[in-house]
Amino acid sequence: AQTVTQSQPEMSVQEAETVTLSCTYDTSESDYYLFWYKQPPSRQMILVIRQEAYKQQNATENRFSVNFQKAAKSFSLKISDSQLGDAAMYFCAYRSESGGGADGLTFGKGTHLIIQP
Amino acid sequence: NAGVTQTPKFRILKIGQSMTLQCTQDMNHNYMYWYRQDPGMGLKLIYYSVGAGITDKGEVPNGYNVSRSTTEDFPLRLELAAPSQTSVYFCASSAGTGSSGANVLTFGAGSRLTVL
Repeated sequence: AQTVTQSQPEMSVQEAETVTLSCTYDTSESDYYLFWYKQPPSRQMILVIRQEAYKQQNATENRFSVNFQKAAKSFSLKISDSQLGDAAMYFCAYRSESGGGADGLTFGKGTHLIIQP
Repeated sequence: NAGVTQTPKFRILKIGQSMTLQCTQDMNHNYMYWYRQDPGMGLKLIYYSVGAGITDKGEVPNGYNVSRSTTEDFPLRLELAAPSQTSVYFCASSAGTGSSGANVLTFGAGSRLTVL
């Protein structure tokens, strides 16, 4: 079974600064996807960014980018120019594509991001 | 476009009672999921379905049942509620697997259930 580890229960960053959230995963598969989801106090799960394991190029979405190191099984999220609205829980998630990949996502325990004004 | 709709948003149950959490999606997604989120524990998969009439157990299925009679609906039933089932429950759906975004999960707003 795959596991996803987020080693930082909480991170704090000054507004407008850059912060990096860590995620490692364990898998023996070669075909998979990785995701970062944001959960603000409203509880809604919001997709931040998605990475295909077969792509070497790191995904980027505006101020959000990832550092995907397949050999190291590492998938960190970098948030540039942090804004107050970025304050939330951030979850790293893994999705297998083996066997159809129907059984959804495996989540890490999350990192609580605090933005200091 | 409503996306994934869950009801109720909040519910308090007594030990031993039963209830059904409703989930419906209007995106014609084949895959649907139920997760539970406990404090500090991330989300864990309870059950999933790859299409009408097909369901399968996830990581934590004990104490729950599901059915999938239509593409749109995927209700989660709690039988004989226990305090250990106090949690936030999320329903999610995806179009399928693979690239082009088909494997991205869209989540409902969550249902907070308390069992006393």
